[in-house]
Amino acid sequence: QQQVKQSPQSLIVQKGGIPIINCAYENTAFDYFPWYQQFPGKGPALLIAIRPDVSEKKEGRFTISFNKSAKQFSLHIMDSQPGDSATYFCAASSPGNKLVFGAGTILRVKS
Amino acid sequence: DAGVIQSPRHEVTEMGQEVTLRCKPISGHDYLFWYRQTMMRGLELLIYFNNNVPIDDSGMPEDRFSAKMPNASFSTLKIQPSEPRDSAVYFCASNIPGLAGGRNEQFFGPGTRLTVL
Repeated sequence: QQQVKQSPQSLIVQKGGIPIINCAYENTAFDYFPWYQQFPGKGPALLIAIRPDVSEKKEGRFTISFNKSAKQFSLHIMDSQPGDSATYFCAASSPGNKLVFGAGTILRVKS
Repeated sequence: DAGVIQSPRHEVTEMGQEVTLRCKPISGHDYLFWYRQTMMRGLELLIYFNNNVPIDDSGMPEDRFSAKMPNASFSTLKIQPSEPRDSAVYFCASNIPGLAGGRNEQFFGPGTRLTVL
């Protein structure tokens, strides 16, 4: 069963803090690992993505750390802002364009 | 670009009724995906199409669910008969894999919130 396990379910941080969301997978055929951000009443939108040939990728305040040997990857949000409050999903796909999503993490950034 | 368009945005129906959800993908995208989102099960892929052909429908929960893509700009997801446990938000997404440096980004529509009473 292709599966991506995500934790924590929810997270509350103060403004300026660094929330970290973790994901783990089993299927070694996965070759693409995106993170999606979803605001209430909206569809998910791609935030940042990584392929397993690199260990880290940064885009603005968002960083993915990837550990291929441990089959784990995580999202870090630097200098978090109240506007970052949303649900975050990790996902993974093997060749074929089909995504498997984690269960989601509800992030609240307190001002 | 208008993005992925879904209709209706909200649907309330009674158990046993037929429900049809509609999706218009982004022009030029050759993949279309239908997802269902619930608190209990998260975001589940139901079915996806490539060039209007269904590729994988293993996520379709029951025979009550069916999906079609008669042309490159339109797809439907039908539930007949509907049941209360079908209540969820249904998303349509589209993409062209390999575009924009291999991001394989899926573009989601705003979703249809379905309530079956």
